[in-house]
Amino acid sequence: QVQLQQSGPGLVKPSQTLSLTCAISGDSVSSSSAAWNWIRQSPSRGLEWLGRTYYRSKWYNDYAVSVKSRMTINPDTSKNQFSLQLDSATPEDTAVYYCARGCTYCSTTYHFDYWGQGTLVTVSS
Amino acid sequence: QSALTQPASVSGSPGQSITISCIGTSSDVGGYNYISWYQQHPGKAPKLMIYDVSYRPSGVSNRFSGSKSGNTASLTISGLQAEDEADYYCSSYTISSTRVAFGGGTKLTVL
Repeated sequence: QVQLQQSGPGLVKPSQTLSLTCAISGDSVSSSSAAWNWIRQSPSRGLEWLGRTYYRSKWYNDYAVSVKSRMTINPDTSKNQFSLQLDSATPEDTAVYYCARGCTYCSTTYHFDYWGQGTLVTVSS
Repeated sequence: QSALTQPASVSGSPGQSITISCIGTSSDVGGYNYISWYQQHPGKAPKLMIYDVSYRPSGVSNRFSGSKSGNTASLTISGLQAEDEADYYCSSYTISSTRVAFGGGTKLTVL
């Protein structure tokens, strides 16, 4: 059974970096069939896919254009986890952030079959 | 404003069937069979209920079914039960730069 455990601060000051980590059990961040995603949810923006990292003989990253200039997703194979860094945070980045696995048995890894518990991140001074 | 259009709310009595629509465009729903549906209870993470338009992950009740016609996808829940009361979101791959489009969500109330 795949489990994703999120960690990271719930409060970030404006202009600082929002950082979250997602620890994986029951699968590998280096899996050649999975993709590891960050998704956020807020009342104003709804559900929003932010980006992903995945391994297919080498590492790849995809980011939503809305955050591409500010976002970095890094895999950590030694700890079997992946992380999110969102630079220059603004109050508009306030949301519940989820990590999620891209489905390995679906026709696309843009279906998300396992989710972390969610982290409410508030950007405020 | 969400890329995919869902009704804000639907309701039904126990045992009845309901259908939730998800309207997109030829760039997402109409162009690909990469449509999924998620159930979300308050304070919980979304749960995958339907993938690839009409397939159910292991463990999901066969009371849940999905379909697509043109630019509209649909989720049908038959034999409504109290525990089905939740928010439901559709999702589709999209050729646009957002890669993944979500609907705004539909609140299902079991009367």
